[in-house]
Amino acid sequence: DVKVTQSSRYLVKRTGEKVFLECVQDMDHENMFWYRQDPGLGLRLIYFSYDVKMKEKGDIPEGYSVSREKKERFSLILESASTNQTSMYLCASSFGGGGSPLHFGNGTRLTVT
Amino acid sequence: AQSVTQLDSQVPVFEEAPVELRCNYSSSVSVYLFWYVQYPNQGLQLLLKYLSGSTLVKGINGFEAEFNKSQTSFHLRKPSVHISDTAEYFCAVSPSGGSYIPTFGRGTSLIVHP
Repeated sequence: DVKVTQSSRYLVKRTGEKVFLECVQDMDHENMFWYRQDPGLGLRLIYFSYDVKMKEKGDIPEGYSVSREKKERFSLILESASTNQTSMYLCASSFGGGGSPLHFGNGTRLTVT
Repeated sequence: AQSVTQLDSQVPVFEEAPVELRCNYSSSVSVYLFWYVQYPNQGLQLLLKYLSGSTLVKGINGFEAEFNKSQTSFHLRKPSVHISDTAEYFCAVSPSGGSYIPTFGRGTSLIVHP
């Protein structure tokens, strides 16, 4: 069974802090994704990566960056956290190809005060 | 580009009643179609997918969905729901060629009452 592990379930950070959200998958998937989930807005893609050191912007990349130094790990970085980044963050992975479903972690609920 | 519309943000239903969650999509290319379920405080998990072949697709937990190309719909159905089906349901599409990035609908909250 594919396992996608997000390092924290809950995080509380202060405005202006640099925040790291970590995600690890154990199935050698090429693709990894970071989504943000807000009530009534569904899932919005922040960044995705289709290979080590490769990344592409999603729909809402502003205020975020990512790092993928190893195939199994995909990190989301909030350079300077703001209150409007309070949200649920979901990491996912998949094999290449549009027919491959995404496998999700359990999410990190981030609160920025 | 593609888009997904889930017509109902919330669907209340009594236990053992049938349910249909609606999903319509638009796309200029052929697509693959998915339904995911999210239980409280968890990530999303795959319920079922349509890639090709039979338009009626069966998934886990007794759910099924029917792909209707002419109506660009992929509605999810279950003949008899349980309390444990209370969750958020997301429809998603991804293009069958080129970019593999899925587009998600905004979700439908299924609330099953005893």
